[in-house]
Amino acid sequence: DAGVIQSPRHEVTEMGQEVTLRCKPISGHDYLFWYRQTMMRGLELLIYFNNNVPIDDSGMPEDRFSAKMPNASFSTLKIQPSEPRDSAVYFCASSSQGWPNEQFFGPGTRLTVL
Amino acid sequence: AQSVTQLDSQVPVFEEAPVELRCNYSSSVSVYLFWYVQYPNQGLQLLLKYLSGSTLVKGINGFEAEFNKSQTSFHLRKPSVHISDTAEYFCASEVSGNTPLVFGKGTRLSVIA
Repeated sequence: DAGVIQSPRHEVTEMGQEVTLRCKPISGHDYLFWYRQTMMRGLELLIYFNNNVPIDDSGMPEDRFSAKMPNASFSTLKIQPSEPRDSAVYFCASSSQGWPNEQFFGPGTRLTVL
Repeated sequence: AQSVTQLDSQVPVFEEAPVELRCNYSSSVSVYLFWYVQYPNQGLQLLLKYLSGSTLVKGINGFEAEFNKSQTSFHLRKPSVHISDTAEYFCASEVSGNTPLVFGKGTRLSVIA
């Protein structure tokens, strides 16, 4: 299995631009999670999906952030417009139905907003 | 609500010395506990997990953790660390019912030659 795949691995953009991060979960997994990691705030859960349906988006910081999961094998996290304080590493993780909810993480996307 | 507290943000230790990374959880119901490791510039990897049964759990790379219900702790230990163990370690908990993992803030382990 290829594991969770994220793209791009690095993204540098200018303030005000739209940024789209992509994630392919492990095949057969029903849950997908988006996290953000910064030095100041640590690891934060932004949103998670179950069977492609958003379950809890209370961690999404602002309306500038949106996430979609159009099918079981693909999800996007979009930031529009981006700001320098959005600079962070964004992780996607997936897990199978049932508990315990052992999550498998992707390698992350390092986002830098200038 | 459940929470996870990692008592040390940074732990420096000399190579071949023992190490303990502390984790306390709060939950009024049955809980599953995990330790994840994050090597530099990588995602998180599962190190070990406690689901039920024996309170001493062995994981990869020589790490082990002990579940202590009375003290609500799940401390991670290794008897002799290597330079390659330098990483950030996250404790996480999950209560029954398909709830997301709750992560602690992480402990940065630095192994010094």
